[in-house]
Amino acid sequence: EAGVVQSPRYKIIEKKQPVAFWCNPISGHNTLYWYLQNLGQGPELLIRYENEEAVDDSQLPKDRFSAERLKGVDSTLKIQPAELGDSAVYLCASSLADSYEQYFGPGTRLTVT
Amino acid sequence: ELKVEQNPLFLSMQEGKNYTIYCNYSTTSDRLYWYRQDPGKSLESLFVLLSNGAVKQEGRLMASLDTKARLSTLHITAAVHDLSATYFCAVISGGGADGLTFGKGTHLIIQP
Repeated sequence: EAGVVQSPRYKIIEKKQPVAFWCNPISGHNTLYWYLQNLGQGPELLIRYENEEAVDDSQLPKDRFSAERLKGVDSTLKIQPAELGDSAVYLCASSLADSYEQYFGPGTRLTVT
Repeated sequence: ELKVEQNPLFLSMQEGKNYTIYCNYSTTSDRLYWYRQDPGKSLESLFVLLSNGAVKQEGRLMASLDTKARLSTLHITAAVHDLSATYFCAVISGGGADGLTFGKGTHLIIQP
């Protein structure tokens, strides 16, 4: 069974440019999470989806960050415009409804110059 | 606000020694997770502890949970170099499929 897939794995952009990350969860997992991991820190939740509905986006900086999960499967996280402080690893995770296991993807490492 | 604190944040130890990593959390939770992360890699699930007094063991690692003290421990027995990694504990603040709140991680180096 394929795990959580993320792309790209690495991205380098200049500040003020837009960037998008893509996540394909494990097949059948209806819950999808985006986490942000700064260097030397633990991941922090940005947004959680139940199917196509964002049920917890309280930690998402909505002035520049947006996310969507239109068909309740794949998800895209966008930053526009990017700032230097956005340099981090963006992790996607998925789980089955009411399951206690969250499975993490490999992450996208973003560098903003 | 749920807070998760790990200590130590950095640990250097010799092969063959035993040590314990501690994880404290600030509010009631009925689920605690331990993950391992190797440099440049994603998170690998080690243990999920679901109830007070739960103990799980895998190889040289053993995790336990005391919900009354809001404390979990990850014990390493007779450490080997391959266990060098960063270890995170995480707690779920609500039920169901809520997001996880992570500690800052314990960076573990095991030297021959």
